[in-house]
Amino acid sequence: DQQVKQNSPSLSVQEGRISILNCDYTNSMFDYFLWYKKYPAEGPTFLISISSIKDKNEDGRFTVFLNKSAKHLSLHIVPSQPGDSAVYFCAASARNQAGTALIFGKGTTLSVSS
Amino acid sequence: DGGITQSPKYLFRKEGQNVTLSCEQNLNHDAMYWYRQDPGQGLRLIYYSQIVNDFQKGDIAEGYSVSREKKESFPLTVTSAQKNPTAFYLCASRLRRANTEAFFGQGTRLTVV
Repeated sequence: DQQVKQNSPSLSVQEGRISILNCDYTNSMFDYFLWYKKYPAEGPTFLISISSIKDKNEDGRFTVFLNKSAKHLSLHIVPSQPGDSAVYFCAASARNQAGTALIFGKGTTLSVSS
Repeated sequence: DGGITQSPKYLFRKEGQNVTLSCEQNLNHDAMYWYRQDPGQGLRLIYYSQIVNDFQKGDIAEGYSVSREKKESFPLTVTSAQKNPTAFYLCASRLRRANTEAFFGQGTRLTVV
């Protein structure tokens, strides 16, 4: 059973507009959430994270929102740029589970057109 | 430069052969992980290690083995028992403390021929 779900396999956005990527989780023990960006045949690179004690974290064009009651988080990219086109993975970890290994969703492919 | 290095980038294996993927890090991280990526499947955890000489199975450990004799190294062996070994393999490391990100290597693409 998937603990981290990204229900949208793909998202297409025009340059300059907002991209919103969504992620849901089922394990209430998760207390740390991350977003990674990945290009084909490369390793994922860390983008932004949020602890469960917060509901928002912002870093430049990237903002992550956490709604604990809904077990939902989202990544907002404003404004979107063509270089943002990649696969975005949501990940979560629980301090006392699985050796703090990150559990990943299946990813959302973002395409930003100019 | 600190980082995590996987080698080789591409690897071909004949059916029935074991093959070992290398992962080395100089970030002084205690925890190391192996993930597998298949199209549409995301990253699935194979094995992880929190400390030298200790490791645990992840969600898809069957057909794989690991060792952790040194803090810097966490090699993964894909055995002939792994039924679908063709995939992109990713190694990661992380500080063994809460609320830290994992750093990934560039991956190894394994193809069974």
